[in-house]
Amino acid sequence: DGGITQSPKYLFRKEGQNVTLSCEQNLNHDAMYWYRQDPGQGLRLIYYSQIVNDFQKGDIAEGYSVSREKKESFPLTVTSAQKNPTAFYLCASSSRSQGQGDNEQFFGPGTRLTVL
Amino acid sequence: AQTVTQSQPEMSVQEAETVTLSCTYDTSENNYYLFWYKQPPSRQMILVIRQEAYKQQNATENRFSVNFQKAAKSFSLKISDSQLGDTAMYFCAFTLYNFNKFYFGSGTKLNVKP
Repeated sequence: DGGITQSPKYLFRKEGQNVTLSCEQNLNHDAMYWYRQDPGQGLRLIYYSQIVNDFQKGDIAEGYSVSREKKESFPLTVTSAQKNPTAFYLCASSSRSQGQGDNEQFFGPGTRLTVL
Repeated sequence: AQTVTQSQPEMSVQEAETVTLSCTYDTSENNYYLFWYKQPPSRQMILVIRQEAYKQQNATENRFSVNFQKAAKSFSLKISDSQLGDTAMYFCAFTLYNFNKFYFGSGTKLNVKP
């Protein structure tokens, strides 16, 4: 089945540590996105990538880094510079095709990150 | 700048009744897509319905329908015959034809009461 996987589902980090959240899609989508969601809040864009080896900062990129070496993979690293990283992280992808059915964003199940 | 506003942070509806969630957006572009997403307690984001801005006909998906008013930049979601499983956060979103970014509202928490 086609879809987006995120791992791990739950992640615990000690202060001062970098952690990497995995996001993989087998939908053959060009674009991939990372969002942060705090309790009871909406989605805030961290980074997005329209094509392999290229990505852009979103609204809250400070303290985060990404890479896009493969079309199907878009890992997010939460660095020690992120002062309040405890949140729910969602990865998404879209085809960027116009006039076709799958122009919406497809989302992974999310990763819950907690800083101890 | 593109923005999406959902003015109802929380709503309640009795099972089997109808409820309407409001959404307004702002863009100077003419071509875009609009979406409603549902996020149940599992936190998995699920597409409920989509609307292409150039289509005048309002989209429908079973019990879900939209009222798209392009001139007013309004995109409300109507849920008919509400079910307990409709309890969730609902997010309004849109993207321009160049697909660089998706813009989300702050969400409306819907509680369906038995």
